Amino acid sequence: RKEVEQDPGPFNVPEGATVAFNCTYSNSASQSFFWYRQDCRKEPKLLMSVYSSGNEDGRFTAQLNRASQYISLLIRDSKLSDSATYLCGARDADGLTFGKGTHLIIQP
Amino acid sequence: EAQVTQNPRYLITVTGKKLTVTCSQNMNHEYMSWYRQDPGLGLRQIYYSMNVEVTDKGDVPEGYKVSRKEKRNFPLILESPSPNQTSLYFCASSWDSTSSYNEQFFGPGTRLTVL
Repeated sequence: RKEVEQDPGPFNVPEGATVAFNCTYSNSASQSFFWYRQDCRKEPKLLMSVYSSGNEDGRFTAQLNRASQYISLLIRDSKLSDSATYLCGARDADGLTFGKGTHLIIQP
Repeated sequence: EAQVTQNPRYLITVTGKKLTVTCSQNMNHEYMSWYRQDPGLGLRQIYYSMNVEVTDKGDVPEGYKVSRKEKRNFPLILESPSPNQTSLYFCASSWDSTSSYNEQFFGPGTRLTVL
């Protein structure tokens, strides 16, 4: 059974702080990895893909550790608008398996 | 506009009354998938389809059927809905399912309540 595990939180973080999430996956055949953002009662939307070499998009940095089978997301200088649920996903030939999501609350 | 559409967006029904949730995408994607999302359980895949006339069970297929007669449409059928199928349902599509960085696009969701 393919599993993707995340700490559900909630993470309560003051505005401007740095926050990091980890996610582990069980299927070693997973080849591509993603972070999605989901706002309350809305559809998930792609935040960023996670490449083997690590990648950065503005305040967001994603990293992959294949040996330990985990991916991470770092958010710097957090904004109130970053409050959401963050889902990690691992893709294999059958499709995407998601974690249950990590709930982030940025406090003013 | 590239999008995945679902209908209806909200539905309240009664146990045993057959229903269909439609899903359509206009991006010519080969891969389509249905998920249900429940509190504490996250997104769980119900069925997926790698191409026309090809469908496979996901993690929670019991009580559901799908069909893929055309590339753009992937309806979800509940032949005899039960209260434990009360959930938020998402349809999704991408170019294919292979191990690549194709973005998976989600529809807006269908909130189903079965009484």
